[in-house]
Amino acid sequence: GAGVSQSPRYKVAKRGQDVALRCDPISGHVSLFWYQQALGQGPEFLTYFQNEAQLDKSGLPSDRFFAERPEGSVSTLKIQRTQQEDSAVYLCASSLEAAPATYEQYFGPGTRLTVT
Amino acid sequence: AQKITQTQPGMFVQEKEAVTLDCTYDTSDPSYGLFWYKQPSSGEMIFLIYQGSYDQQNATEGRYSLNFQKARKSANLVISASQLGDSAMYFCAMREAGTALIFGKGTTLSVSS
Repeated sequence: GAGVSQSPRYKVAKRGQDVALRCDPISGHVSLFWYQQALGQGPEFLTYFQNEAQLDKSGLPSDRFFAERPEGSVSTLKIQRTQQEDSAVYLCASSLEAAPATYEQYFGPGTRLTVT
Repeated sequence: AQKITQTQPGMFVQEKEAVTLDCTYDTSDPSYGLFWYKQPSSGEMIFLIYQGSYDQQNATEGRYSLNFQKARKSANLVISASQLGDSAMYFCAMREAGTALIFGKGTTLSVSS
């Protein structure tokens, strides 16, 4: 079956450009998470959706970062006026349910963003 | 304070040997889950094993086992009979109820023949 997919896989942006990163979760998964992974580091939480509701955006590093999931399936992470420090791999994960700590998160392949 | 600590930046092991990757965690929530993920150079995060805070027995999945010592707040991953394909970055992560995963900084495992 299909896993989590992300597009594009690679994105090069000039500083100041806006970018949009897409995530297609596993069909039927309620929860969707975005993480940012800097080179050589572990992923860090950005934001979390339960269906179409954005329940936690405490990890978004600035107001240049915006995420949406309007129909409770596909999600888009948008970064406005990109800066060099935004260069990272952006990982999307989905989970069948939200509240229980037990449910595994399935990760997509990530989008590697390079800001020049 | 760090919630997940992985103190080994790199580990080296020969094929067919067993290796233990260390992980300690910090939480005051009685309900939590502990996860290990593998990230090869290709970048995808591959789920390996899960341990729930209320589980009495250590989790096992094939060659992977989790040495869960609740009182010490440690959740070490043991890989038995290492293979060349095990070379990758390994992340320990914790999830409290209703929250996202919190990852450690990772351990790079190198398996040689």
